[in-house]
Amino acid sequence: KQEVTQIPAALSVPEGENLVLNCSFTDSAIYNLQWFRQDPGKGLTSLLLIQSSQREQTSGRLNASLDKSSGRSTLYIAASQPGDSATYLCAVPGTYKYIFGTGTRLKVLA
Amino acid sequence: NAGVTQTPKFQVLKTGQSMTLQCAQDMNHEYMSWYRQDPGMGLRLIHYSVGAGITDQGEVPNGYNVSRSTTEDFPLRLLSAAPSQTSVYFCASQGSGGFPYNEQFFGPGTRLTVL
Repeated sequence: KQEVTQIPAALSVPEGENLVLNCSFTDSAIYNLQWFRQDPGKGLTSLLLIQSSQREQTSGRLNASLDKSSGRSTLYIAASQPGDSATYLCAVPGTYKYIFGTGTRLKVLA
Repeated sequence: NAGVTQTPKFQVLKTGQSMTLQCAQDMNHEYMSWYRQDPGMGLRLIHYSVGAGITDQGEVPNGYNVSRSTTEDFPLRLLSAAPSQTSVYFCASQGSGGFPYNEQFFGPGTRLTVL
């Protein structure tokens, strides 16, 4: 059974720091992995989709990497800003559903 | 292109009442799904659909019904609301090629309270 874990559960950093969020999954046979951002009281916004054949995907200050063999993905945020404060979720597809991690709650201090 | 839209944004029901949560997408996506999000439980799949006329149950389907008469719409019906159904409900759709090949897009959510 696929399980997705995100560590740390919460993170607080000063503005300008580069940071890494981690996502681990137990079954490496995945098609892809998607990173989302969720602001308080809001829906999920897709950040990056990384296919199983890719090792990295970049969008602006965000870079996601995928290592299927070790069951890990990382989301790198460069030069963090207070506007990056949100909960970040990763998800992998299961049988007709997505399996989500419980998220990392990020706070970037001005 | 509005993406995935959900109505209402907020709803308060009394136990035993029924209601329908609306979800629509304008991206011609075949796969649509409903999740509920509860503190400490994460996102759990209620029902999903792989195309018009085809629906199936997810992890927590009890107390909910769905139908998919068109590609665009995927309403979720609460048959007889219970306090345990107090939650935030999200509708999602999947890009072309169907599940699981492309990005999943989420609606803004419906916050439901059952008294």
